[in-house]
Amino acid sequence: AIQLTQSPSSLSASVGDRVTITCRASQGISSALAWYQQKPGKAPKLLIYDASSLESGVPSRFSGSGSGTDFTLTISSLQPEDFATYYCQQFNSYLLFTFGPGTKVDIK
Amino acid sequence: QVQLVQSGAEVKKPGASVKVSCKASGYTFTSYGISWVRQAPGQGLEWMGWISAYNGNTNYAQKLQGRVTMTTDTSTSTAYMELRSLRSDDTAVYYCARDRGWLRPAGYFDYWGQGTLVTVSS
Repeated sequence: AIQLTQSPSSLSASVGDRVTITCRASQGISSALAWYQQKPGKAPKLLIYDASSLESGVPSRFSGSGSGTDFTLTISSLQPEDFATYYCQQFNSYLLFTFGPGTKVDIK
Repeated sequence: QVQLVQSGAEVKKPGASVKVSCKASGYTFTSYGISWVRQAPGQGLEWMGWISAYNGNTNYAQKLQGRVTMTTDTSTSTAYMELRSLRSDDTAVYYCARDRGWLRPAGYFDYWGQGTLVTVSS
């Protein structure tokens, strides 16, 4: 089974900071990767799909890149509403999904 | 607007079964799939399986094979997830989520239900 790792597991940042979160797959997954944001007590929200496509309605400060095994989510200028946990998720040719362990972004 | 509304919280004893519903509105139900994802308290997200609302085809996570069944009722635009032989480590919030694939998964989930807490305790 394909495993996903995320780094860092948590980070502290200030409003206005540029934040980068990395997701690594245990084997190549082409561009079959999505990113979600989850706030406490709420369902996850889709941010990025197909590694770099911005979901409709998501602010342009969010961007995704990568293919194969290494992917990044970047928040260009962190806003107060961005403090949350972020998960990557892959979908493979066996029609199976896996989520990464998550990265918690909190206020410095 | 697209909405997925799930059934209410459940408390079950070990060994019992639970069936969670997810009623869809605001889109053509049979043109999409539904995945179920769970989240144990304080933990990350775990994908459980996917069902095509078009033809009922399913894919289940290997660790849940034999204990989980996903179905749909197209007459009411409702998806169901039944989990049997419940254990304490099945205690979690269970989410349904729309997948843009209708014959096979598209690979990501664009709308989510509000979640259903299932507590397994003796």
